[in-house]
Amino acid sequence: EVVMTQSPATLSVSPGERATLSCRASQSVASQLAWYQQRPGQAPRLLIFAASTRATGIPARFSGSGSGTEFTLTISSLQSEDFAVYYCQQYNNWPPWTFGQGTKVEIK
Amino acid sequence: QVQLVESGGGVVQPGRSLRLSCVASGFTFSDYGLHWVRQAPGKGLDWVAVMSFDGTHKYYADSVKGRFTISRDNSKNTLYLQMNGLRAEDTAVYYCARTLSVTTSHIDWWGQGSLVTVSS
Repeated sequence: EVVMTQSPATLSVSPGERATLSCRASQSVASQLAWYQQRPGQAPRLLIFAASTRATGIPARFSGSGSGTEFTLTISSLQSEDFAVYYCQQYNNWPPWTFGQGTKVEIK
Repeated sequence: QVQLVESGGGVVQPGRSLRLSCVASGFTFSDYGLHWVRQAPGKGLDWVAVMSFDGTHKYYADSVKGRFTISRDNSKNTLYLQMNGLRAEDTAVYYCARTLSVTTSHIDWWGQGSLVTVSS
């Protein structure tokens, strides 16, 4: 099973600042990695797939990078609606399809 | 627009059964694989099961294997999760989520979820 580890667990950021979230896989997942955003009380929403491709309708301030075992989600200038929990998920080595434990982005 | 609507959740005693349904609309249901993913209260996302577009391939998490059964009816645009032998640790919001390909693709849409509470 591929273990996905996200860091940090909580990130405190001021509106307008940059946020950098990390996701590490226990073995290579190539570029088969997605990022999801989950706001309180809502279902997850796809942000990024194939490590760096933004999903339809996702603002350009969200970007993804990495391959193999190290991945990054960057939010260039945080807006109020971006304060949420972010999950990475690998879909290269399955079953199971595995998620990171999440990074909560909170207002500083 | 794309919609996935789960139903069938509720409060159930340990050891009992429950069946969740997920009705899809706004896309060609039979073109997509479908996952069940759950989220225990205050916890992260936990993959449960997946079925291919035509129902020929299905996979389960070890934690539910032998107890849960995923199925679909493409004529009704509906995905199911039959849950038997429920345990307290199965308490969660259960989401259905679609994928263009079980073998090579990501989840691109999620339903709003259905809460299952296992308690005596």
